Amino acid sequence: GAVVSQHPSWVICKSGTSVKIECRSLDFQATTMFWYRQFPKQSLMLMATSNEGSKATYEQGVEKDKFLINHASLTLSTLTVTSAHPEDSSFYICSARDQGYNSPLHFGNGTRLTVT
Amino acid sequence: QQQVKQSPQSLIVQKGGIPIINCAYENTAFDYFPWYQQFPGKGPALLIAIRPDVSEKKEGRFTISFNKSAKQFSLHIMDSQPGDSATYFCAASKATGRRALTFGSGTRLQVQP
Repeated sequence: GAVVSQHPSWVICKSGTSVKIECRSLDFQATTMFWYRQFPKQSLMLMATSNEGSKATYEQGVEKDKFLINHASLTLSTLTVTSAHPEDSSFYICSARDQGYNSPLHFGNGTRLTVT
Repeated sequence: QQQVKQSPQSLIVQKGGIPIINCAYENTAFDYFPWYQQFPGKGPALLIAIRPDVSEKKEGRFTISFNKSAKQFSLHIMDSQPGDSATYFCAASKATGRRALTFGSGTRLQVQP
């Protein structure tokens, strides 16, 4: 089955630094990937849609200059949290689907970001 | 605006019981309705999904019931086991465009031995 790999699984950083999270589709090509954010015991909230070869589409209220998304190839999307603050601490999860109308959306195992 | 409403927030059943989780949606453009299972510290895993052209779908111990006119769908877990203890999310997406998933608020299920 389709596998989405996310790295790192957890990261701790200091306020003001930047953190990059990678999302890879291992056995399929994904022209579109999605980045979600999840706070403890809450649902997944869509942050942005990552489009291969073009700019990401951000949801309302998500700062595009703070959450930089790069979809450099059909198998890799990266999310960079710039100038991180403690309120950015969260669980970030990427997802992707194989090409084809009926292809389901598969999720990575998430990245737990803690900003101190 | 919460486009997918999920209930209950939490649920406790005994082993062998049949927990039922309900979701309701507002956007009639939604045409794909999956259920995901999430364990702590992990990403969601797809359990089962349905499209509005059928009223029920079964895969193993998991069944989705779908009521298009009421804009509701539900997940039934037959013969529940302690290993089913997890958080369950319903979701929905449109047929066209990005087809990003909109998630319900989640249900924390505990199956007691």
